[in-house]
Amino acid sequence: DSGVTQTPKHLITATGQRVTLRCSPRSGDLSVYWYQQSLDQGLQFLIQYYNGEERAKGNILERFSAQQFPDLHSELNLSSLELGDSALYFCASSPGPSSYNEQFFGPGTRLTVL
Amino acid sequence: GENVEQHPSTLSVQEGDSAVIKCTYSDSASNYFPWYKQELGKGPQLIIDIRSNVGEKKDQRIAVTLNKTAKHFSLHITETQPEDSAVYFCAAGSGGSYIPTFGRGTSLIVHP
Repeated sequence: DSGVTQTPKHLITATGQRVTLRCSPRSGDLSVYWYQQSLDQGLQFLIQYYNGEERAKGNILERFSAQQFPDLHSELNLSSLELGDSALYFCASSPGPSSYNEQFFGPGTRLTVL
Repeated sequence: GENVEQHPSTLSVQEGDSAVIKCTYSDSASNYFPWYKQELGKGPQLIIDIRSNVGEKKDQRIAVTLNKTAKHFSLHITETQPEDSAVYFCAAGSGGSYIPTFGRGTSLIVHP
């Protein structure tokens, strides 16, 4: 158990809908990362927050947004969902903002868009 | 930006054999190279990492080697066991970029 929790575990929804994925980092970790994992794309970095502020942005679509709250939990919002958004979404946390920090991954949320 | 290539995409070995997974990177500024193991139904987990000031690092049955001149690094697993079966990801990053870039993963299958 990495100490990172993600909810829900599974999510099935329809095209055009909006969903929110939630992540609670390990106790004491200030940095949260979101990744998308699909079969053909591997682990794609989406966005990072550090202590409430956006720190780095990767291949995140404009339909997607995220935030980190004062209690350090984070939410990833996906809107106008398309079939191609079906994937595993991982949250990871680390103590600091640097890539030198080990990232601790949660169990993931499997999103299925029908 | 950084680009990380990982090979092979699938590796099948017999229990007890060695397994080698290779990665190349493009950004000469990268100086931190972690390896993650992802078991079925779980998130990736760090298993070993290496920084550019060393050429090799070992931890029991796993080792990582780094060739900065050629910009490639490899994961070596000796005496493989069925529980080593998983997807392995390499990554490259530096202190200057907050995010390591991941390779596409290698599915390792160890047959008993």
